[in-house]
Amino acid sequence: QVQLQQSGPGLVKPSQTLSLTCAISGDNVSSNSAAWNWIRQSPSRGLEWLGRTYYRSPWFNEYTASVKSRITINADTSKNQFSLQLTSVTPDETAVYYCARSVRGFTINWFDLWGQGTLVTVSS
Amino acid sequence: DIVMTQSPDSLPVSLGERATINCKSSQSVLSSSRNKNFLGWYQQKPGQPPKLLIYWASTRESGVPDRFSGSGSGTDFTLTISSLQAEDVAVYYCQQYYSRPITFGQGTRLEIK
Repeated sequence: QVQLQQSGPGLVKPSQTLSLTCAISGDNVSSNSAAWNWIRQSPSRGLEWLGRTYYRSPWFNEYTASVKSRITINADTSKNQFSLQLTSVTPDETAVYYCARSVRGFTINWFDLWGQGTLVTVSS
Repeated sequence: DIVMTQSPDSLPVSLGERATINCKSSQSVLSSSRNKNFLGWYQQKPGQPPKLLIYWASTRESGVPDRFSGSGSGTDFTLTISSLQAEDVAVYYCQQYYSRPITFGQGTRLEIK
């Protein structure tokens, strides 16, 4: 059974860096058919896709324009996981952050597997 | 950006009755070259992540009950639950993946009448 298990702090101070990790079981972060995504959800923004990574020798990363200068998604093949770093966060980025798997392709496609979600509050 | 607008925002339906949720995109999500609509549907229950129901507008994800069906093309799409069960109470979202950035609808809350 494929699962995504998220971990990371639930409280981040404004202007600091949000860091989350998504551990994969039952699939491989280097899969030829999957891409690994981060999505957030808040009452004000709704569901918002942030970015993805997949293995294409080397790794391919793609980010949404609104956070492109502040976001990094990395894969760790030794631990079979991927991570999100979002710098200089503001209180309106308080949201539930999800990792998710999608079918790899030119288009970002649909998300067939999701992590449990992490509520990240940006507050001093 | 493609704006996805769902209607209604809230939908009360009696158990066993049909539920119909609409999703309209601000521009077509139909690829003429591939003859596919780049649209998906998700179900989200409280405290849970979204769950994929439908992709390519009408292809049911493995394990999804056949009372869920998707239809439509171009800019107008529908998710239908043929006979509402208690466990179907949730918020439903549509998502376009035709162009970047991918976008989601605002959600439709389905409740028991």
